[in-house]
Amino acid sequence: AQSVTQLGSHVSVSEGALVLLRCNYSSSVPPYLFWYVQYPNQGLQLLLKYTSAATLVKGINGFEAEFKKSETSFHLTKPSAHMSDAAEYFCAVSLQGAQKLVFGQGTRLTINP
Amino acid sequence: GAGVSQSPSNKVTEKGKDVELRCDPISGHTALYWYRQSLGQGLEFLIYFQGNSAPDKSGLPSDRFSAERTGGSVSTLTIQRTQQEDSAVYLCASSLMPGLQETQYFGPGTRLLVL
Repeated sequence: AQSVTQLGSHVSVSEGALVLLRCNYSSSVPPYLFWYVQYPNQGLQLLLKYTSAATLVKGINGFEAEFKKSETSFHLTKPSAHMSDAAEYFCAVSLQGAQKLVFGQGTRLTINP
Repeated sequence: GAGVSQSPSNKVTEKGKDVELRCDPISGHTALYWYRQSLGQGLEFLIYFQGNSAPDKSGLPSDRFSAERTGGSVSTLTIQRTQQEDSAVYLCASSLMPGLQETQYFGPGTRLLVL
């Protein structure tokens, strides 16, 4: 079965520092991968998605992610953190054979001034 | 344009009561999904609707949960005889068409508290 693992339930960085949120997937076939962000008391908003067109995917708000098949990873990065980036981030994979997303446990990102 | 809307935004109910949660997908979107977000279980898939096809109910946790989608648009998730473990945020999402690479657009959720 396909699944995703997010390393670190809580990540804290200083404003202006690099943001790195880790996601590893398990899949027997090339997956479709997504990163969503959830601000307090809101629904999920798509940051970016990998659909095999390019391994480096650029998303909204300056975020990007690189698909690395050899490492089964899809880590999310942003060169310079902003206070408004404080939120919870979810990595997800489309489940083969069924139309649904399987989510990781989420990583709460805190930005220190 | 308008996004996915859900109502009510918050619902407090007593154990044993039935509740109905509503989802209005983005106009023209053919696929509709329900997920549940809880502290202990994270984000879990509940049910998926696509056009006139039979829904995928594989994620419903018990027979107390049911959902319908009328006219290919609005969907209602019903929980009968609510239990305290049903307390969670229920999220609805829609996508323009079915497909593993299609973006699912999420509503703000309904926060359910069962006392």
